[in-house]
Amino acid sequence: DTEVTQTPKHLVMGMTNKKSLKCEQHMGHRAMYWYKQKAKKPPELMFVYSYEKLSINESVPSRFSPECPNSSLLNLHLHALQPEDSALYLCASSSISYEQYFGPGTRLTVT
Amino acid sequence: KQEVTQIPAALSVPEGENLVLNCSFTDSAIYNLQWFRQDPGKGLTSLLLIQSSQREQTSGRLNASLDKSSGRSTLYIAASQPGDSATYLCAVRGNDYKLSFGAGTTVTVRA
Repeated sequence: DTEVTQTPKHLVMGMTNKKSLKCEQHMGHRAMYWYKQKAKKPPELMFVYSYEKLSINESVPSRFSPECPNSSLLNLHLHALQPEDSALYLCASSSISYEQYFGPGTRLTVT
Repeated sequence: KQEVTQIPAALSVPEGENLVLNCSFTDSAIYNLQWFRQDPGKGLTSLLLIQSSQREQTSGRLNASLDKSSGRSTLYIAASQPGDSATYLCAVRGNDYKLSFGAGTTVTVRA
């Protein structure tokens, strides 16, 4: 099974809302990632977790808060977002060979 | 900083023609190179992973080559089909967890 799942598929939220994105993999991968992708652009790395510890934060605003409850789960908590945060949010995990596997993404719209 | 360039940005071919997609990178100190496919509004699908010690990888109609010293990779897709229409992204990994992506080549295969 080489699947990364993400929920929800679509999310619309107001600027004062709090919501969370969820990502799950059961491939035994020990590195997990959050990316943000704007239309017609490549993905931009946001966070990397390695062995459930945050190892890379690409200077992401604090309104995005990642969490890794266990080796299979990755959450992204959202609070007080701006309209420019509207994008496709992608989760990925990587194997021991560092091949990255991506989920289908969550399409986020901030109103 | 690693810079990844993909040429051409867009390509339109008739069905049955072979596709040649190019990727170049500025820093040859890479760990691996990965080719992805992305359909509109979807996540990334890993096509091929080439480790830095390898020269090429093949999967079905796909073949990717890597020339690390010259900073180049080429993805060949034989006998293209309309279902091959998508954006193809090249990404290189350095000595950390980060992938540096090219901007992609958008392929249209005409029936």
